[in-house]
Amino acid sequence: QSVLTQPPSVSGAPGQRVTISCTGSSSNIGAGYDVYWYQQLPGIAPKLLIYDNSNRPSGVPDRFSGSKSGTSASLAITGLQAEDEADYYCQSYDSSLSGWVFGGGTKLTVL
Amino acid sequence: QITLKESGPPLVKPTQTLTLTCTFSGFSLSTSGVGVGWIRQPPGKALEWLALIYWDDDKRYSPSLKSRLTITKDTSKDQVVLTMTNMDPVDTATYYCAHVYSNSHFDYWGQGTLVTVSS
Repeated sequence: QSVLTQPPSVSGAPGQRVTISCTGSSSNIGAGYDVYWYQQLPGIAPKLLIYDNSNRPSGVPDRFSGSKSGTSASLAITGLQAEDEADYYCQSYDSSLSGWVFGGGTKLTVL
Repeated sequence: QITLKESGPPLVKPTQTLTLTCTFSGFSLSTSGVGVGWIRQPPGKALEWLALIYWDDDKRYSPSLKSRLTITKDTSKDQVVLTMTNMDPVDTATYYCAHVYSNSHFDYWGQGTLVTVSS
């Protein structure tokens, strides 16, 4: 059971927009800790996609965007492409656990 | 350019101790603010943070695994070592090391190393 809750799967057709939610609590996201998103392509190490809730590292397309509100955060992907098919993980810090926590991951399928 | 690479045995027996080494380049663990963490991922499952060490030798451990983990650094070799005692088949996973940015997230990851626990 992950500390941060994500939907197990989402799907969308090429060109569409999908969102992935990440729900936490008052000891992590709700406490003001930033949220980070990682993309993991099959068989490859995770790659940082979004940092500090809504910022993209250099090289990440602007089709990817992040937001945070209250105890939750969201990752939005617009203009879906086949290459976006991957697992996506959110991450934050939890003060009650005194450690870094990940969501359970969401598998994105491009139909 | 920051790179990290994990190394260790691909197979360990139950009850044995696992020792993993993370060899990195492109940064120094003697620089203020720098950290290296370990994260694992059982086959088909989610990421799980294990441990983290900072430039000043401050160490943090996952509460659920704290009694079994030890993280150390060798600044002269640009290496971080993680040991996990009393290995069990449920510890079968790909183990990643990663550079920690600003005490908040993991911005560069190693390729990972798969460790299988089986007799």
